[in-house]
Amino acid sequence: DAGVTQSPTHLIKTRGQQVTLRCSPKSGHDTVSWYQQALGQGPQFIFQYYEEEERQRGNFPDRFSGHQFPNYSSELNVNALLLGDSALYLCASSLSVGELFFGEGSRLTVL
Amino acid sequence: GIQVEQSPPDLILQEGANSTLRCNFSDSVNNLQWFHQNPWGQLINLFYIPSGTKQNGRLSATTVATERYSLLYISSSQTTDSGVYFCAVWRGAGNQFYFGTGTSLTVIP
Repeated sequence: DAGVTQSPTHLIKTRGQQVTLRCSPKSGHDTVSWYQQALGQGPQFIFQYYEEEERQRGNFPDRFSGHQFPNYSSELNVNALLLGDSALYLCASSLSVGELFFGEGSRLTVL
Repeated sequence: GIQVEQSPPDLILQEGANSTLRCNFSDSVNNLQWFHQNPWGQLINLFYIPSGTKQNGRLSATTVATERYSLLYISSSQTTDSGVYFCAVWRGAGNQFYFGTGTSLTVIP
């Protein structure tokens, strides 16, 4: 049973560029949530997708957008990257609003 | 949103020692999870425990929802227990999981 998988694991971008991160949920899960974790802090909720719709959104600007596909996989897009966007981006899947399971994360560095 | 406070923020233990980590939350919640973040950043599920007590090997957890706190017990600690421990709470449908700031545990041999 595959767990939550994320790609890429590491990437480096420059300010102003755009990035797309990908997530495949755990088998049987229909809900994907994205979190941003800055160094030394706890994960901060970005948004959650269910049935291909954004169901809930945290306090992040519109530069952060996402998508969920019919197979429940998801993408996180960040436009006009800022230095402060450097962080570990974590994807979590769940069955509706049940227990969260996390992937290994995508570590983004913005130069 | 819900405020989630964890204590202590940092903890250093000798291998074999026991410890208790605490998570306080500011509002009633429907669910609570404990995670261990390993040095590579992955969050590993420890317990899904909205109320009551659960045990898994050397680890156990207790949540007293009416008093808005949860405790994570680590017995006979090992160096592999090192890392950051997070609790996260969820209030219900239409809400998000809120994470605490974590407890950083270092177990020295």
